[in-house]
Amino acid sequence: GAVVSQHPSWVICKSGTSVKIECRSLDFQATTMFWYRQFPKQSLMLMATSNEGSKATYEQGVEKDKFLINHASLTLSTLTVTSAHPEDSSFYICSDFQNGGSASGGPEETQYFGPGTRLLVL
Amino acid sequence: KNQVEQSPQSLIILEGKNCTLQCNYTVSPFSNLRWYKQDTGRGPVSLTIMTFSENTKSNGRYTATLDADTKQSSLHITASQLSDSASYICVVSDRGSTLGRLYFGRGTQLTVWP
Repeated sequence: GAVVSQHPSWVICKSGTSVKIECRSLDFQATTMFWYRQFPKQSLMLMATSNEGSKATYEQGVEKDKFLINHASLTLSTLTVTSAHPEDSSFYICSDFQNGGSASGGPEETQYFGPGTRLLVL
Repeated sequence: KNQVEQSPQSLIILEGKNCTLQCNYTVSPFSNLRWYKQDTGRGPVSLTIMTFSENTKSNGRYTATLDADTKQSSLHITASQLSDSASYICVVSDRGSTLGRLYFGRGTQLTVWP
């Protein structure tokens, strides 16, 4: 089955710096990938949908200029947290669907999640 | 409002015992319901996927049920093991098209004690 990897697995940075998180679909070409954020004891919250070769689609309340998404190839999407602040500290997880095309969560599509990246902003 | 509610919020059981986790949803229209297992500090892993017409689906010691009429689902874990300690997340998809969205529950934190 499809495997999704993330790098780094954890990162600590100073407030004001930018952090880039990579998400790779290892054995599947994903035209669409998803970025989630998860705070302690909370559910996953969709931040944005990353579309290969086009602009990402952001959820309401997510600042596109702060969370830059680049999906330059079918196997790599990156999330850059710009000018990070302590409130950005969270667990960031990417995912894709086996079908990849519509990636809508249809029953024929298996969603695979990356292992997550824990960000701590001091 | 489309919501997914899970109960209990947390649960502690002894190794070898069975347990049942609940998921109630108000998502409409309904496409499918998924159960995921998320180990601490890891991404979720799919356990089961059920559509409207499926009442039950098993994956090893995990058995999920779905009552689409009452909009309820349960995840039953048989003969629990220490490795079952994790958060179990219920996710509902509202349609199988490009307009589909996933609605996540907050999860049930299961702890299995020896």
